[in-house]
Amino acid sequence: DGGITQSPKYLFRKEGQNVTLSCEQNLNHDAMYWYRQDPGQGLRLIYYSQIVNDFQKGDIAEGYSVSREKKESFPLTVTSAQKNPTAFYLCASARGGPLHFGNGTRLTVT
Amino acid sequence: QQQVKQSPQSLIVQKGGISIINCAYENTAFDYFPWYQQFPGKGPALLIAIRPDVSEKKEGRFTISFNKSAKQFSLHIMDSQPGDSATYFCAARIGNSGYSTLTFGKGTMLLVSP
Repeated sequence: DGGITQSPKYLFRKEGQNVTLSCEQNLNHDAMYWYRQDPGQGLRLIYYSQIVNDFQKGDIAEGYSVSREKKESFPLTVTSAQKNPTAFYLCASARGGPLHFGNGTRLTVT
Repeated sequence: QQQVKQSPQSLIVQKGGISIINCAYENTAFDYFPWYQQFPGKGPALLIAIRPDVSEKKEGRFTISFNKSAKQFSLHIMDSQPGDSATYFCAARIGNSGYSTLTFGKGTMLLVSP
């Protein structure tokens, strides 16, 4: 089945550590996105990429970094500079149509 | 600055009733308005979408009403069922292309009581 795989589902880290969230898609979509979801805040765009080796900052990019070395993969690194990293992170992809979302990674930083 | 305002934040409806969720936008360049449904622990999934050249779109029990002059659109769920209990997000985008970004409302948590 085609889809978007985010791993792991739950992730725990100590404050001050960088952590990388995985996102892989086999839908042959060109565009990929990372959103952050907090209770009562909706979905806020972190980074997006429309093509391999290119990406743009979204509304809340500070403290995050991404790479797009392959069409299928768009990993997100949450750095120690992100002040409130605990959240539900959603990856999405699209190709000239609606966004398809993965099932998210819940990151807890203590 | 929030560009898509969604209300109410939460909603309780009896089984068989009508659920209504409203959204308002500010940017007149928006021309694609989807609604997403999200169950706990899952990613959002596209439910229904509308372009501003029509005032209403219906898919089964779900209807989008669109008022371009008021810059408002709403989701109506007819004959609401307990399985409809989920969080609903409205969104807006400039252009119906997967290469532009969506701006989401803050979401409405719907509970349909049996």
